Formats: sequence, C-alpha cells, structure tokens
Amino acid sequence: QKEVEQNSGPLSVPEGAIASLNCTYSDRGSQSFFWYRQYSGKSPELIMSIYSNGDKEDGRFTAQLNKASQYVSLLIRDSQPSDSATYLCAVTHSNYQLIWGAGTKLIIKP
Amino acid sequence: DTGVSQDPRHKITKRGQNVTFRCDPISEHNRLYWYRQTLGQGPEFLTYFQNEAQLEKSRLLSDRFSAERPKGSFSTLEIQRTEQGDSAMYLCASSPQRQGVGNEQFFGPGTRLTVL
Repeated sequence: QKEVEQNSGPLSVPEGAIASLNCTYSDRGSQSFFWYRQYSGKSPELIMSIYSNGDKEDGRFTAQLNKASQYVSLLIRDSQPSDSATYLCAVTHSNYQLIWGAGTKLIIKP
Repeated sequence: DTGVSQDPRHKITKRGQNVTFRCDPISEHNRLYWYRQTLGQGPEFLTYFQNEAQLEKSRLLSDRFSAERPKGSFSTLEIQRTEQGDSAMYLCASSPQRQGVGNEQFFGPGTRLTVL
C-alpha cells in the first residue's frame, strides 16, 4: 500500500513567521513531488513541484526533498493570513497517478 | 480563461437519479483525470484519460460510474442511481504528457454533488 502521510494539524503560525509543513511517503520509487494549496470549498492549486534532492525556492515558498529519508517539506516565509489553507502533498505513483496525503491545515494568526 | 473548467459547479439530486458532469481541460493538455474528494481527505483517484483512451480506472469505482472523453477534448463523468455516499466534490484535472519526471496536474473548480 503506497502511502503519503501528513500531520493533519491545525498548525498555527504567527504572521510574519516561517511555516514548516512536512510529508513522508512510502514508495522509494517515487520521482515527482508536489505541494498544493486548497482553500475551504475550493479546488487544489499547485504551488510547488520538486523532482531532485535539495531545495527549490519560488518567492516565499521553498520545497525541500530528501529521497533517502523519503521526506518532503514546504517552508513558507513571512507567513500572511492569506496563506491560511490546507496544504496537500502529492507524490507520483506511476507516470501519471498521484498519491495524496490528507493535508495539513495551516492557520496564520495576525 | 485558459484553465480547466467544470460544469455544473453544484448539483443537488435525489437518491436514485443519474447525474452527469462535464470537464473541459486546458487545450494543449492531452491527459485528463477525475478525482473525488470528501471533507478532510485528499483527492481520491477515479480515472485517467490520455487523449480519448481511458487508461486507468480505480478499483474503488463501482459500475455505477462511467467516464468518457470521446474526441480527446472534454470529458464527462456519469453517476447512475446515485447514493447518499456519492455526495462529494468531483474534481477534474489535466496535464501535458511529458517523458520522465514531471506530471503537474492543474485542477478545475470542481463540481459539488449533494445526494438527498
């Protein structure tokens, strides 16, 4: 059973601080890793993709991948109230199918 | 707007009725996916098309569910004899076909189904 695990939260972070979201996966053969943001009642929105070990930065977002530890994380710098959402981690199971975590609810407190 | 579109956005139906949803993917994307999502869960894979071919269908999908993509463009998802357990958000996503890594899927706004 291929799985993706996330802490359901909620994770509460003060405005302006760094939010750190974590995800572990079970399939060592996974090659592509994605973070999606989902506001309540809306559909998932792709915010980061990462394919190789190390860090990938895009604006206030940094994705980190460690394939040896089967671990992927998302850092959000200078957190804003508008970052409050559920963050979903997704990992490729095959060339097309994504395996999803249940998401971490993030709350940014003003 | 060149994103994924879905219609309708909301559907309320009575148990036992049939419903059909439509998805229009991003025009240059040849891959199309259907997911179902319930509260507090990640999306659950239902089925996948590459062009007009349905290449994968979840074992969780009962025979009441059918999907088509007749010309490799838009897709429809039909649920026959709806049950209250079918109440969920139905999501459509599309992606371009790439060799190797990279399967970024872009989602439509979803269709929220309520079965009374």
